[in-house]
Amino acid sequence: EVQLLESGGGLVQPGGSLRLSCADSGFAFDLYAMNWVRQTPGKGLEWVSTISGRADSTYYADSVKGRFSISRDKSKNTLFLQLNSLRADDTAVYYCAYGDRRYFQHWGQGTLVTVSS
Amino acid sequence: QSALTQPASVSGSPGQSITISCTGTSSDVGSYNLVSWYQQHPGKAPKLMIYEGTKRPSGVSNRFSGSKSVDTASLTISGLQAEDEADYYCCTYASSGIYVFGTGTKVTVL
Repeated sequence: EVQLLESGGGLVQPGGSLRLSCADSGFAFDLYAMNWVRQTPGKGLEWVSTISGRADSTYYADSVKGRFSISRDKSKNTLFLQLNSLRADDTAVYYCAYGDRRYFQHWGQGTLVTVSS
Repeated sequence: QSALTQPASVSGSPGQSITISCTGTSSDVGSYNLVSWYQQHPGKAPKLMIYEGTKRPSGVSNRFSGSKSVDTASLTISGLQAEDEADYYCCTYASSGIYVFGTGTKVTVL
């Protein structure tokens, strides 16, 4: 059974940084593109970023481009999201997710990032 | 990229059928047969219900079906049950590695 476990969320001041991790268990990690999707409390889902299976391509939503960086470590079966220059509107639950193709079949439980002074 | 447009809420009685629309543009929904639908119960992660417009993952009830016409995708829930009460989101691939989610629809079972 596929299991994705996010960690690294917490309270951070505006302008600060955080590094989120997503550890997988039980699937061929490097075969699939991996994604981050976030959800503002009480609101909708927003795609944030995608990294290809070989980590040779990355994509970002305009709202995070230049501030967030996605990466993956094949040896540790772990996906990362580096969050820099954080703003109040980055406050959200961040999910990692992946699917066989262009959809999100498997999701983690999410990690909460709160940006506040 | 702007969010896909969904109705804020849809309701129905047990046993009835409801349809949730998801309207995009010719650049996203209209260009690809890659709309997916997600069900989310409070405090839970989203669950994939439909992918590639009309396909159901293993384990998803056949009461859920998807369709598309031009720039609008739809999710139909037949034989509505209490457990179907949740938030539903559509999503589409929109080229160059970009995905766009819908605004979300709250389904209420009366």
